[in-house]
Amino acid sequence: TQLLEQSPQFLSIQEGENLTVYCNSSSVFSSLQWYRQEPGEGPVLLVTVVTGGEVKKLKRLTFQFGDARKDSSLHITAAQPGDTGLYLCAGASAGGTSYGKLTFGQGTILTVHP
Amino acid sequence: NAGVTQTPKFQVLKTGQSMTLQCAQDMNHNSMYWYRQDPGMGLRLIYYSASEGTTDKGEVPNGYNVSRLNKREFSLRLESAAPSQTSVYFCASSEGDPQTNYGYTFGSGTRLTVV
Repeated sequence: TQLLEQSPQFLSIQEGENLTVYCNSSSVFSSLQWYRQEPGEGPVLLVTVVTGGEVKKLKRLTFQFGDARKDSSLHITAAQPGDTGLYLCAGASAGGTSYGKLTFGQGTILTVHP
Repeated sequence: NAGVTQTPKFQVLKTGQSMTLQCAQDMNHNSMYWYRQDPGMGLRLIYYSASEGTTDKGEVPNGYNVSRLNKREFSLRLESAAPSQTSVYFCASSEGDPQTNYGYTFGSGTRLTVV
């Protein structure tokens, strides 16, 4: 079973601060996705990274896929209260019987205070 | 633009009762998935269907059955509910088969409590 360790589990910051969420595994993934989930709703896809070393930017959010495709990070610049939510990383298995299916990290609960 | 629709949104069952969670998508997606979400454990795959007519077990299939009724609908059945099945259940769909790295579209979830 592939595991994705996400850290930190909880993050409470003030508006305007920067933050980074990490997603680590000992397994190689064919791609890695980041989702954001608000209370009472399902996760919503933010980005998919496929190539080792790939960096994608979405406004104030920067996503990076590790060179070896085993880890990823999400960096938010100048966080705003609207960024509050649960952030989930999910890796698509690179081989074996689980090929292609997503494995989710435990999630990071981000709270941005005004 | 309904996306993925799940019913019901909330349900309380007594131990031993059965129920079916319904899921339908209107995006013509091939693959559909059922996940459960528990605090501190992320989302865990119960069953998935890579295409119409096929279903496969995920990480935590015990106590559940599924039916891919047609391309749009994928239902999850609890035959004899147990308190350990108290959770939030999410249905999701994706455009390609699991190997094509497409993002998932999730429904808004069913919050199930088994007493």
